[in-house]
Order: sequence, then structure tokens, then C-alpha cells
Amino acid sequence: TQLLEQSPQFLSIQEGENLTVYCNSSSVFSSLQWYRQEPGEGPVLLVTVVTGGEVKKLKRLTFQFGDARKDSSLHITAAQPGDTGLYLCAGDDKIIFGKGTRLHILP
Amino acid sequence: DSGVTQTPKHLITATGQRVTLRCSPRSGDLSVYWYQQSLDQGLQFLIHYYNGEERAKGNILERFSAQQFPDLHSELNLSSLELGDSALYFCASRPAGTGNTGELFFGEGSRLTVL
Repeated sequence: TQLLEQSPQFLSIQEGENLTVYCNSSSVFSSLQWYRQEPGEGPVLLVTVVTGGEVKKLKRLTFQFGDARKDSSLHITAAQPGDTGLYLCAGDDKIIFGKGTRLHILP
Repeated sequence: DSGVTQTPKHLITATGQRVTLRCSPRSGDLSVYWYQQSLDQGLQFLIHYYNGEERAKGNILERFSAQQFPDLHSELNLSSLELGDSALYFCASRPAGTGNTGELFFGEGSRLTVL
């Protein structure tokens, strides 16, 4: 059974700090997606990574797909309160989701 | 607004009862996915329909069933409800032709509380 492990489970940091969250698996995925979910809403897609080693940037967010396509990371530079939310990674079949990292940015 | 509509938004019912959750996908999307989200379990995949046919099934309880109708809306039926069924239920649709890299568009969810 494929599993996606996300870490840390919770993260609370001050505005302006940098952070990295991780999505790891023992299985190979043809692609991974990152979603952000805010309270009372459904998840919203941030990025899809497809190629091993790929790096994608979305403003202050940097996503990397591992060379072996088994893991991914999300790095946020100079975190802002608007980054607060639940970050979920999902495998390519849309069936496997990690449990998420709940991020809270303190103003 | 994702374009995916879920009703009802909130539902409170008693153990042993049966409820139906409804989902209208985005216009033109043929795929509908159902997920259960509880505090400690994250997003759990329940079932996937494509153009009226079941494509994949997760660890969906036998008390739960779903279908997708010719107009592409979908319903998730939950019966003999237990306290542990209290959760957020999300529906998502995926644009046709996007394959596995396609974006999932989620509704706002239906919050079910079983008392």
C-alpha cells in the first residue's frame, strides 16, 4: 500500500521566518501535487511536480520533487500570516493523500 | 469558488440514521472523487466515478455507497450512522483529459455530525 508521510504534523512560527515541510514515501510516484486547505474550505491546488529533481517556484513557495520521485518538499521564504493553513501532498492517482502539515504563522 | 457544489453544508443526525450527500461537479468534468476528512486521519479517499462508472474504491465502509448519475452529479449515501462517521465529506472533480496530473477542484464540503 502506498503511503505519503508528511512532516512535521504541526508547525507554528513567527512571520518572516523560513520553513520547510516534507512529503515522503517508500513508493515511486509519477507525479505529486501540493494542496493548501484553509478552515471551512476545500483544498486548493498549489503545484504539480512531475519530473524527478524538478524545482518549481510560486512566489515565496519553492517545491522540489526528489530525484527518485519518492519525496517532495515545500519551502516557504519569509512566511506571512496568509500562509497559514493545512498543506497536503497527494499522489498521482488522487487516491493517496498525506495527513498534512498544519502551519500557523504568528504575526 | 471552485465550481463544485456540495449540499448540504452542515448536517446533524442521530446514530442509526441514513443521510445522502450531494455533489455537482464543475461543468464538463466527468470525474468525481469523494473523500472523508476527520481530525486525525487527514483526507481519506472513498470512491472515484468517471462518467457514471465506478473507477476506484478506497476503504469505503459497506454502510456507505455512492453513484454518479447521467447528468454527472453524484450522491454519497451513508447508512446506519455511527458516532465515528462524524467528519467532513469532500467531493472533488477533475477536468476531462487531464490524466493523473490533472488538478482536483474541491467543493466546500459537507460537515456531518452524528449524535
